[in-house]
Amino acid sequence: DQQVKQNSPSLSVQEGRISILNCDYTNSMFDYFLWYKKYPAEGPTFLISISSIKDKNEDGRFTVFLNKSAKHLSLHIVPSQPGDSAVYFCAASINTNAGKSTFGDGTTLTVKP
Amino acid sequence: DAGVIQSPRHEVTEMGQEVTLRCKPISGHNSLFWYRQTMMRGLELLIYFNNNVPIDDSGMPEDRFSAKMPNASFSTLKIQPSEPRDSAVYFCASSLYTSGSGKTQYFGPGTRLLVL
Repeated sequence: DQQVKQNSPSLSVQEGRISILNCDYTNSMFDYFLWYKKYPAEGPTFLISISSIKDKNEDGRFTVFLNKSAKHLSLHIVPSQPGDSAVYFCAASINTNAGKSTFGDGTTLTVKP
Repeated sequence: DAGVIQSPRHEVTEMGQEVTLRCKPISGHNSLFWYRQTMMRGLELLIYFNNNVPIDDSGMPEDRFSAKMPNASFSTLKIQPSEPRDSAVYFCASSLYTSGSGKTQYFGPGTRLLVL
């Protein structure tokens, strides 16, 4: 049973436009959510996170929205840049699980110049 | 800080051989995670440690896999005997976990394993 799902394996957008990456989860115990970015031949790197007590967190061009009732979160990148082209992983964790996160399968974002 | 260090970066071995992957977490971090990434299964958590103690090894595929963390600065993941289906990229990650915070994980560059 996959508890964190990223239903879009890939997304292609034009430079300067908005990229929206989506993530759904099933476990209502999750209370902390993270997005990681991964370039080829590198490990994932932390991008942005959000606690379940919030519904929005913004960091520069990156904004994460959380809809707890729908068990859905999304990552918005505005404006998108070619350097944003990477695989984006959504992850979810439970406060008492010693930092363990459950990862989605990832979405490959391609930003075209 | 040098970040999470993994060695080797690439490993090619023959079926039946023992493989040992190594990880040095970020100094001061108290949680360590081993992941495997494949095209078919994505990023899978194999095992994680908190304060050098294995907390959850339910992701370890079978008895051929074992992991140890003898001290706070070193961990190994061993596969014995290795099989072609073990071919994957293995990531180690560490974090500073405290209740209510510290869930961000810092990943190493990965070890690309090919079992022939």
